[in-house]
Amino acid sequence: GDSVTQMEGPVTLSEEAFLTINCTYTATGYPSLFWYVQYPGEGLQLLLKATKADDKGSNKGFEATYRKETTSFHLEKGSVQVSDSAVYFCALRGTGFQKLVFGTGTRLLVSP
Amino acid sequence: DTAVSQTPKYLVTQMGNDKSIKCEQNLGHDTMYWYKQDSKKFLKIMFSYNNKELIINETVPNRFSPKSPDKAHLNLHINSLELGDSAVYFCASSQETPPTQYFGPGTRLTVL
Repeated sequence: GDSVTQMEGPVTLSEEAFLTINCTYTATGYPSLFWYVQYPGEGLQLLLKATKADDKGSNKGFEATYRKETTSFHLEKGSVQVSDSAVYFCALRGTGFQKLVFGTGTRLLVSP
Repeated sequence: DTAVSQTPKYLVTQMGNDKSIKCEQNLGHDTMYWYKQDSKKFLKIMFSYNNKELIINETVPNRFSPKSPDKAHLNLHINSLELGDSAVYFCASSQETPPTQYFGPGTRLTVL
């Protein structure tokens, strides 16, 4: 079945550092890919998405490119802030299926 | 204006009790979902309804029964609560296209 693999956390960075959170997936067909963010004590918010190969999703300085050849959707940000501290989830929605399949989440901790 | 709302936000109850969680969306979406997030933050689909019809029913104990009175509401009723049911339950909604799911704030259920 479909699956998503994310790097283990926590990822600990200083403010203004460069961020990469790796995400790879296994799916048949052409899934849509998403990054969601969960701030402490809150629900899930959509951060960005890409629905076809080579699409780049971007939002709030975060970017991820849908790479079909490497089945990856890595999340990047050039300069993180303390307010970016949260848990980040990579997810896919397979072709013809409604449900989202989530990775295990990666906790990001940014210190001043 | 809340897009996807859930009540209650917190629910503390004794083992063996029956409880319900309510979800409402005002986005005009056709499809609604219930997800469970365990203590390790892992998220998994439980159910999905499309226009009041059940379309996804993952391996969930029969004690869990979703009900959709109309396409804007999806409630979750849980009978004979067990300790292992303690989790955060998220409601979500989407259209078929684009396949983006929007999540509610979550209901933290604690079974004592």
